[in-house]
Amino acid sequence: DGGITQSPKYLFRKEGQNVTLSCEQNLNHDAMYWYRQDPGQGLRLIYYSQIVNDFQKGDIAEGYSVSREKKESFPLTVTSAQKNPTAFYLCASSMGVFVQETQYFGPGTRLLVL
Amino acid sequence: GNSVTQMEGPVTLSEEAFLTINCTYTATGYPSLFWYVQYPGEGLQLLLKATKADDKGSNKGFEATYRKETTSFHLEKGSVQVSDSAVYFCALKTQDGGSNYKLTFGKGTLLTVNP
Repeated sequence: DGGITQSPKYLFRKEGQNVTLSCEQNLNHDAMYWYRQDPGQGLRLIYYSQIVNDFQKGDIAEGYSVSREKKESFPLTVTSAQKNPTAFYLCASSMGVFVQETQYFGPGTRLLVL
Repeated sequence: GNSVTQMEGPVTLSEEAFLTINCTYTATGYPSLFWYVQYPGEGLQLLLKATKADDKGSNKGFEATYRKETTSFHLEKGSVQVSDSAVYFCALKTQDGGSNYKLTFGKGTLLTVNP
């Protein structure tokens, strides 16, 4: 089955530690996205990538980094510079970035700070 | 800038009741409009979408019509079921200055359907 997988489902971070969230898709989509969801809030865009080896900052990129070395993979690193990392992180992908195209979402990773 | 405003929840209904969740938007250009649904502990699933004015999106008994004159995309269902209990997000997609397109989400509306 085609889809988006995110791992792990839950992740714990200690103070001062960097952690990496995995996102893999087998939909052959060119574009991939990372969103952050906080309780009672909509989703906010962290980073997106239209094509391999290229990515752009979204609305809340500070304290996060990404890479796009392969079409199917778009890992997100939450660095120690992100002072409030506790949230639900959602990865998405779409065939392209045209306005009418649908973004499909993975199951999410919940990050908690110890 | 672009924005989406949804009716605040939570919304609690009895099974077989009629559902309306209001959504209005502010956007430049000609956005596409989406409704996503999120079940507890899961990611978002596309429920329906509309890409131009007067289009009606529909899926699983849910409907929404793209009204450019009122900048609205209200979600409706004639008879809700317990299994429809979830958080519903209205979203729009429009060009972001250059050639890139981003989704802007509302804050979500929690729907609880009681048997």
